[in-house]
Order: sequence, then structure tokens, then C-alpha cells
Amino acid sequence: QQQVKQSPQSLIVQKGGISIINCAYENTAFDYFPWYQQFPGKGPALLIAIRPDVSEKKEGRFTISFNKSAKQFSLHIMDSQPGDSATYFCAASIAAGTASKLTFGTGTRLQVTL
Amino acid sequence: SAVISQKPSRDICQRGTSLTIQCQVDSQVTMMFWYRQQPGQSLTLIATANQGSEATYESGFVIDKFPISRPNLTFSTLTVSNMSPEDSSIYLCSVGAYQETQYFGPGTRLLVL
Repeated sequence: QQQVKQSPQSLIVQKGGISIINCAYENTAFDYFPWYQQFPGKGPALLIAIRPDVSEKKEGRFTISFNKSAKQFSLHIMDSQPGDSATYFCAASIAAGTASKLTFGTGTRLQVTL
Repeated sequence: SAVISQKPSRDICQRGTSLTIQCQVDSQVTMMFWYRQQPGQSLTLIATANQGSEATYESGFVIDKFPISRPNLTFSTLTVSNMSPEDSSIYLCSVGAYQETQYFGPGTRLLVL
């Protein structure tokens, strides 16, 4: 049973546009929701993360929106750049304040065109 | 953040052999994890490795196939035993840093022929 569903599978956005990736989870015990960015041949890099006590978190061009009642969260990349072209994974864990097992979404391959 | 290195970065192995992957961190960490990422797929947790205790394996992964060592707070190894082509994958270690934050190493790309 996949506990974190991610969409779309792939996304093409023009330079300067907004990229939006959505995730939905089932387990209400999840309390930590990170997003990772992975370039080909590299390990995943932590991009931004949120806890369920806030509805939005922004870091530079990256924003997480969180809807606890709908059990959904999304990543918005503003002013998308060709350098943002990568695979993005959402994840969730039952952290309780410490690092623990991450359940990953299936990934979204983002391509930002000129 | 933590700086994590893995060795080897990639390898090509024959079926029936074993490969040991090393994960080194530049600071002491309590929590270390091993994940598998099959080509073009998402990441799946193999096991959690805490120093001073036995590794905890996820459903579908067993110690005989993936033995793990965690001799100190900066180092861990994962062995892929009696390999078959189905074990061809990227193996990643990650570490728990500050609170829930988890950082990943660069991965070991394994091809089994």
C-alpha cells in the first residue's frame, strides 16, 4: 500500500513559470514532510520541509503548502529556471522530533525549458 | 548539514558474489539509514542502523541478504549478499542530523550481471 501519492509523474514548465507538484498521504500519524531534489547521478538533496502545525513555508523560490484536513501538500517553484530541471520527491515520516523512516512519493521529473 | 561519502561510487559484480558498501559521515550521528532506489524509481528503506544496537529491517528485507554494521557514530556498512541481477540498484545511506532532518549520501550504483 503506497502511503504517499505524488503527481504529476512528469512536468514541463517554461522558464519563469510556476512549477507545482502535489502529494497526498494516508497515514494521519505523519508529522514531518520534506521535499528532496535529485539530479541524475546524485543523491537526493533536502530542499525544504514542513511540519503540520503550519500551512505554508517559503524558502526563496520554493514554497510548501500544507492542507492537514485534506491530507495534501504541494511544492511550488516560482520563477522556474533550467537549473531546476531535476526529479523531485515528496516524503513523509512519523518523526516525533527525530529522524526516522521516510516514506517517499513516486517522484516528479521536472523539465524547465527556455 | 552533514557531509556524507560512500564507497564505492559504482560497481559491476557477478551474480552470486557479495559487495560491501561503506558510508562515512563527517560528524557523529545517532541515526543512519540505508535505502534502495531502483533505476528511475523512488526510494525504499532497507533498514535503520543505530550505533550499539542491531539494525532494524523493513518488510521484505532480511539480515542474511543485507547485513549491516554500525561500529561507531560516523561509519556504517551495508553488504549485498549472494547478488542476483534483481539487486541492480542505487544504494543510498542517509543520516539524521538536526531533529527530523535527514541527509543523503551520493549513492552507490550497482550492476549485477
